[in-house]
Amino acid sequence: AQSVTQPDIHITVSEGASLELRCNYSYGATPYLFWYVQSPGQGLQLLLKYFSGDTLVQGIKGFEAEFKRSQSSFNLRKPSVHWSDAAEYFCALNAGNNRKLIWGLGTSLAVNP
Amino acid sequence: DAGVIQSPRHEVTEMGQEVTLRCKPISGHNSLFWYRQTMMRGLELLIYFNNNVPIDDSGMPEDRFSAKMPNASFSTLKIQPSEPRDSAVYFCASSLGKMNTEAFFGQGTRLTVV
Repeated sequence: AQSVTQPDIHITVSEGASLELRCNYSYGATPYLFWYVQSPGQGLQLLLKYFSGDTLVQGIKGFEAEFKRSQSSFNLRKPSVHWSDAAEYFCALNAGNNRKLIWGLGTSLAVNP
Repeated sequence: DAGVIQSPRHEVTEMGQEVTLRCKPISGHNSLFWYRQTMMRGLELLIYFNNNVPIDDSGMPEDRFSAKMPNASFSTLKIQPSEPRDSAVYFCASSLGKMNTEAFFGQGTRLTVV
């Protein structure tokens, strides 16, 4: 069965520090992968997506993610975190012939000044 | 485009009352999704439509929930009768309906059933 796991429920980093949010997926073929961000009281906004080609994907707000087939991972990174990055981050995959996204439970990011 | 528009943004209702949530997808999008978000369960897909037709409603919790999409620019999610456990944020999202296209989310409706 397809699934998405975000192992870290909550992460706290200091402003200016680097960030890596983990995402692991279960799917037999190459999935379509997405990272979304949800700021407090807001809807979800797409950060980046991976379908094929270059395994390092650049997104908005300075984020990037790397697809690693051997590890079934799609981790999100940012070299220097800003206080405004505090939010909930969701990893999702689209697998198979349907149009549904399979979602991780999210990682809550807190940023210390 | 104004994005996905949901109304109302907030709804407080008494247990037993009917609640209707509304969604206007992005023009040209042919897939529409209704999600529910709670602290306990996270983000749950309730139902999704393709070309105004319900494709998968397996996430609809029970018969009290119903969703319609009478045309390409409007959808409703109705709860009748509402219960306190229905309190959540309900999101509508739309997409072009292809594997490699993302879903665009509305800002959600925060429902409180007292």
